[in-house]
Amino acid sequence: EPEVTQTPSHQVTQMGQEVILRCVPISNHLYFYWYRQILGQKVEFLVSFYNNEISEKSEIFDDQFSVERPDGSNFTLKIRSTKLEDSAMYFCASSEARVGTTYFGPGTRLLVL
Amino acid sequence: AQKVTQAQTEISVVEKEDVTLDCVYETRDTTYYLFWYKQPPSGELVFLIRRNSFDEQNEISGRYSWNFQKSTSSFNFTITASQVVDSAVYFCALMNYGGSQGNLIFGKGTKLSVKP
Repeated sequence: EPEVTQTPSHQVTQMGQEVILRCVPISNHLYFYWYRQILGQKVEFLVSFYNNEISEKSEIFDDQFSVERPDGSNFTLKIRSTKLEDSAMYFCASSEARVGTTYFGPGTRLLVL
Repeated sequence: AQKVTQAQTEISVVEKEDVTLDCVYETRDTTYYLFWYKQPPSGELVFLIRRNSFDEQNEISGRYSWNFQKSTSSFNFTITASQVVDSAVYFCALMNYGGSQGNLIFGKGTKLSVKP
């Protein structure tokens, strides 16, 4: 069964460093997302991406964040200068249609020290 | 306001008991979709079910069943004869048809512990 994959599974970084989280969405899906879950809290929407541009972003997704689809398969989230409060599980997700079922990857656990 | 409320923070049951997880939602849209996801201790989010606002028929899948009631804006999830492997955090989520590009609004989740 097709699935969303994410790398790395864990990432530890120093405050102020840049990180890039990588995702490979399900191959026939057209809509891509990043969500975040701070430990023990609910899952929060960050950004949606369609047709090579951001469709919508939340208040969390400030200028420190960016997304890119550098080729036909990868979808990345970059945090330019990490802060302690960026420590969270980051989930990539994809769906076939705009309001289709959203399938999530296994997540990248980011720890900012 | 668009919101999902899961009032039960944690539930603990003994194996083979039935358990119902509550979900209440708020939305201005007339067309919307409701979801349940399971997050086991390993951390991934596993899709369980999706329901659209025009389909109030209850659904059963094995030991899982869902009760969607628009009159009370609820979409409750029942596990029959619970098993230890059902132990996880369960999230209810809302997706509106209009406006946003399909982003999900999650509740805070209910942590279910099933003891042997």
